[in-house]
Amino acid sequence: GQNIDQPTEMTATEGAIVQINCTYQTSGFNGLFWYQQHAGEAPTFLSYNVLDGLEEKGRFSSFLSRSKGYSYLLLKELQMKDSASYLCAVLDSNYQLIWGAGTKLIIKP
Amino acid sequence: EADIYQTPRYLVIGTGKKITLECSQTMGHDKMYWYQQDPGMELHLIHYSYGVNSTEKGDLSSESTVSRIRTEHFPLTLESARPSHTSQYLCASSDGGADTGELFFGEGSRLTVL
Repeated sequence: GQNIDQPTEMTATEGAIVQINCTYQTSGFNGLFWYQQHAGEAPTFLSYNVLDGLEEKGRFSSFLSRSKGYSYLLLKELQMKDSASYLCAVLDSNYQLIWGAGTKLIIKP
Repeated sequence: EADIYQTPRYLVIGTGKKITLECSQTMGHDKMYWYQQDPGMELHLIHYSYGVNSTEKGDLSSESTVSRIRTEHFPLTLESARPSHTSQYLCASSDGGADTGELFFGEGSRLTVL
């Protein structure tokens, strides 16, 4: 079967750094995506990794290791508005997105 | 900013009713999707389409139907709503390029079946 694992919930302090991990086992791999979803809203695209390494985009960075089936999303200089769920998704060999259940990130002042 | 719209945003109906959730996008995207999402859970693919007159079933398709007569329009119909259909329904589209997992989502339709 196909599986995406990420922690259910994490808590961090405003101004700090947090790393959200994602491990995956899928039939094939055509890219890994991170989405942000605020409560009651639709997901919005954050990042895309298809090659190993780190992709940086402002305060957010995403890392991929295909050999380990592992990715992380790194959020720096946390702000209260970063409180949201962060969804990891993998594009499988059929170009279908397999979604994780998301990590709820709580930011405390 | 994404131009994909869903109606209704909220709907409360009785068991056995037929409902259609509307989804329209103005980006000219070929690929469109319907997902179901319960709180704290992963998105489940219901149906998808790769273009006009193309529709495919996802994981949770057995109790609903879709049509794709126009590129911009992808409605989802539940023939006979049940309380188990209570959920958030998300429509999405993509341009189908190499990074085809970059989806643009509508704001969702929250359905409650009594």
